[in-house]
Amino acid sequence: KQEVTQIPAALSVPEGENLVLNCSFTDSAIYNLQWFRQDPGKGLTSLLLIQSSQREQTSGRLNASLDKSSGRSTLYIAASQPGDSATYLCAVKLPGNYGGSQGNLIFGKGTKLSVKP
Amino acid sequence: GAGVSQSPSNKVTEKGKDVELRCDPISGHTALYWYRQSLGQGLEFLIYFQGNSAPDKSGLPSDRFSAERTGGSVSTLTIQRTQQEDSAVYLCASSFAPGAASNYGYTFGSGTRLTVV
Repeated sequence: KQEVTQIPAALSVPEGENLVLNCSFTDSAIYNLQWFRQDPGKGLTSLLLIQSSQREQTSGRLNASLDKSSGRSTLYIAASQPGDSATYLCAVKLPGNYGGSQGNLIFGKGTKLSVKP
Repeated sequence: GAGVSQSPSNKVTEKGKDVELRCDPISGHTALYWYRQSLGQGLEFLIYFQGNSAPDKSGLPSDRFSAERTGGSVSTLTIQRTQQEDSAVYLCASSFAPGAASNYGYTFGSGTRLTVV
């Protein structure tokens, strides 16, 4: 059974700091890994998608890396801003329908980020 | 449309009533997911539609839950005889998936917040 773990569960930083969010998964047989952002009471906004053959993806102040063999991904946020405050979720896509009741897109429980002005 | 559209955005219903939640995926997206997110919890997989294949219903929590997808586009999630524990945000996502082996990312709607009183 694939398990996705995100550490830390919550993080509070002052504005301007660079920070790293961690995501780990137990089975390296993934198609891709996607980072999402969720604001309170809202749906999920896709931030970055990394294919299994890629090592990293960048978008603006965000950089996501993937080390499939070790089952890890990091989301790096540069020069954090109060507007970055949200819950960040990572999800791995598995081949076929892995594990039945899990579906084939497995989510971590998220890291709740708070950036203080 | 430009994104995944879900309706209603909020629904308050009395215990024991039936509810229908609607999801309009991005045009051309053949894969569609329903997830449930209870307060403070992670995303719980419910059901997955892939093209014309039989849907994967393995995540549905009970036989009170059912979903349809008409014409490979719009999907409706129906909850019969609602219970208070059904209160959650119901999220729909779609993906361009020409086959089950697709590695495209997912786009989520804003969700329907269901409250059973």
